[in-house]
Amino acid sequence: GENVEQHPSTLSVQEGDSAVIKCTYSDSASNYFPWYKQELGKRPQLIIDIRSNVGEKKDQRIAVTLNKTAKHFSLHITETQPEDSAVYFCAASRGSQGNLIFGKGTKLSVKP
Amino acid sequence: DGGITQSPKYLFRKEGQNVTLSCEQNLNHDAMYWYRQDPGQGLRLIYYSQIVNDFQKGDIAEGYSVSREKKESFPLTVTSAQKNPTAFYLCASSHGILYGYTFGSGTRLTVV
Repeated sequence: GENVEQHPSTLSVQEGDSAVIKCTYSDSASNYFPWYKQELGKRPQLIIDIRSNVGEKKDQRIAVTLNKTAKHFSLHITETQPEDSAVYFCAASRGSQGNLIFGKGTKLSVKP
Repeated sequence: DGGITQSPKYLFRKEGQNVTLSCEQNLNHDAMYWYRQDPGQGLRLIYYSQIVNDFQKGDIAEGYSVSREKKESFPLTVTSAQKNPTAFYLCASSHGILYGYTFGSGTRLTVV
């Protein structure tokens, strides 16, 4: 069946460094790729998304890149801050079914 | 609270008991979803509904049931057939395909 692989599962960086999280997907029909941030005990929040007709999207310190040929997309966070510490989930749309398949998450820790 | 409300926040279930988790949204979203979150497992789809009076099974529907009688409401029943129900349950809604989800704050279900 369809799946989304996410790496790494944990990531620790120093404040001010960059962080990169990578995901691969298996469904060729996927055309929507959102990223969610979940702080401890809270609900996941959409932070950025990209559609298949775009290769890159940026929003302040956050950027997402998409390579449809390789079925690969990545989240880039620059100038990390302690408040960026959270679990990040990537997701891919499941063909025409209108729901999302999620990766297993990356726990990002930003050390002051 | 973000337009989508889940209740209760904590729920305790005895063996052999059915329990119902509430999810209500006032975002005028057509689509609603139930996901289960376990540590290290990401979010797994239980059921989803793209329109009133219609719903489909997700990846782990066994032991669960839903209804969608109103656009605003999508309750989830965890039946006694679900052998490992202890988890964090997240409800979400969206405008439909190619749109991000808005999540509720979740219900933590524990079997006692």
